[in-house]
Formats: sequence, structure tokens, C-alpha cells
Amino acid sequence: EVLLVESGGGLVQPGGSLTLSCAASGFTFSDYWMAWVRQAPGKGLEWLANIRQDGDQKYYLASVKGRFTISRDNAQNSLHLQMSSLRAEDTAVYYCVRKGLPDNWGHGILVSVSP
Amino acid sequence: QSVLTQPPSVSAAPGQMVTIACSGATFNIGHNPVSWYQQLPETPPKLLIYDNDRRPSGIPDRFSGSKSGTSVTLAITGLQTGDEADYYCGCWDNSLSVVVFGGGTKLTVL
Repeated sequence: EVLLVESGGGLVQPGGSLTLSCAASGFTFSDYWMAWVRQAPGKGLEWLANIRQDGDQKYYLASVKGRFTISRDNAQNSLHLQMSSLRAEDTAVYYCVRKGLPDNWGHGILVSVSP
Repeated sequence: QSVLTQPPSVSAAPGQMVTIACSGATFNIGHNPVSWYQQLPETPPKLLIYDNDRRPSGIPDRFSGSKSGTSVTLAITGLQTGDEADYYCGCWDNSLSVVVFGGGTKLTVL
């Protein structure tokens, strides 16, 4: 069974930084593109970034490029999202997903950006 | 405003059929496979359809997908109250180099 478990969320002040992590299990992590998707309260899905199996190719949503960095550790079966210069509009549930166009989703973790 | 366009809501009675349309453009739906997701209240999305019309194991055949040009359609037959959820389409966009989602459609089973 594919399992994706996010961690690292919480409350952060505007302008602050936060790093999300995702522990993957139940599949060969190094065989798949991985990605992050978020969902603001009461809103739809917003794809943020993905990363190739070897970590050498990444794509970002324009509104987070330069502020967010996706990375992975294939030895640890983990995916990360470093977020900086956070804004109120970054408040959302953040999902770790397998594949660029997701086929499996984590349970999600809440990031709240507020003074 | 979402790159892919879906109706905000649809409704139908139990046992009936409903369709949800998702329209895009040549550089997204026109050239790339589409997935559909079901999001039940307070849960993460779940893959319903991939590659336009394929069902993952465990998804009942009451759910089906089709594609024509730059639009796709999700059909749900034999509606059940448990199908009440938000439904999203998504695919890669060659112009933006990102995955784009529709705005979501809320299904109400009356």
C-alpha cells in the first residue's frame, strides 16, 4: 500500500519560513516523480511543484518559484518542500503526491500564515 | 480563475446518471492525458480516472471518463448518496509547464 505522510506544518508569521517533509513507503520511491499540491480553505486544488526521480529536474508554479524549493532524498524515501517569504495566501493544506499528475495523495498537513 | 473549466455544481437523484464536463485547450487537454479526482468532505482527493478513461483498481465501473478534443467528461451512473463530493479534473499544461486543475464541481445527490 502506498503511504505518504506529511510533517512539518504549523503556524508561521508572514515573511517566515517552513519546511515540509513527506515520508514515503509502500513503493519504490526512486522510480517516481513526486510533487506537492495545496488547497486553501474552501478552495480548489493548486499544484505547486514536482521533481524528477534523480532530483535533477524540477518544475514550479510561477507564484511560488523563487520562494519554494522542492527536493528529495531517495536514500531516505523522503520528499521536502522548503518555503520562504510566506504570505497569508499561502495558508492551505499541503499534500505530498506521487507522480506529477497525482495517483496517490498524502493525508495533507495544514500551514497557517498569520501574525 | 482555473485553466481548466468545470461547472461549479451538478445535482441528480439517487440511481440517476450525472456528467461533469471539463474544458481546456490544445496545450493541456488537447495533448495530454487527463485524470479525475474525487474529494469527499474532510478527506484528501482520490484518483478516480487516469489516462482520460482508465479506472484504478478498486474504482467501480459506475465511474467512467471520456475525451473529445480539448474537453473531457466524467460520468457517474447509479448515483449513491456516498458519491456526494467535489470532483476535479487535472492534466499537464505544455504552455505553463505545470499541472493544472479545474476549479472543482460539487456533486449533490438529491
